[in-house]
Amino acid sequence: SQQGEEDPQALSIQEGENATMNCSYKTSINNLQWYRQNSGRGLVHLILIRSNEREKHSGRLRVTLDTSKKSSSLLITASRAADTASYFCASVPTDSWGKLQFGAGTQVVVTP
Amino acid sequence: DTGVSQDPRHKITKRGQNVTFRCDPISEHNRLYWYRQTLGQGPEFLTYFQNEAQLEKSRLLSDRFSAERPKGSFSTLEIQRTEQGDSAMYLCASSLGQGNGNTIYFGEGSWLTVV
Repeated sequence: SQQGEEDPQALSIQEGENATMNCSYKTSINNLQWYRQNSGRGLVHLILIRSNEREKHSGRLRVTLDTSKKSSSLLITASRAADTASYFCASVPTDSWGKLQFGAGTQVVVTP
Repeated sequence: DTGVSQDPRHKITKRGQNVTFRCDPISEHNRLYWYRQTLGQGPEFLTYFQNEAQLEKSRLLSDRFSAERPKGSFSTLEIQRTEQGDSAMYLCASSLGQGNGNTIYFGEGSWLTVV
């Protein structure tokens, strides 16, 4: 069973628009990691945010973390067709370093 | 840094046969993880190793599944007496150390289809 939830499940936008997706998790965490997955491929690491951080940037990506609400968000600015993929957040629980907890992901489609 | 390597990328097998997947982690990464992903779902944890020690196994990992990391480098995941429900992508990942800022890198996955 999935241990986290992403919202929305699917997102369709046009190139140049921003894409925002949210993630909730259930347990206390050490950090939270966001991944991208193209159809049929492995997961590509995007960004890691530690439990004592509130916001992090990497290129066109901005991640926030609210540990009081057990939630995180990923913002992709100025989206491109190449951003079309599924995006997953994965939380690393404090009681188990190895057990990344994934949600079902957000499927993003960016049309030219 | 050549990334996490998995082999084979695709495997089709008949129900009841045994299959084995291999994973080569990023060089010097002491932690290695196995996950399983079915269509439309996020990956689910199966097991992980620190060096050669298997530290945790999921309840998903029935007695038909076994994972090894004999020398603390590459790892194998064997599924015995495969069932159609085993059809999924098996993902391997690796990371360095244990701190709260260690990125976990995934490979391209091994697709298993049981017919």
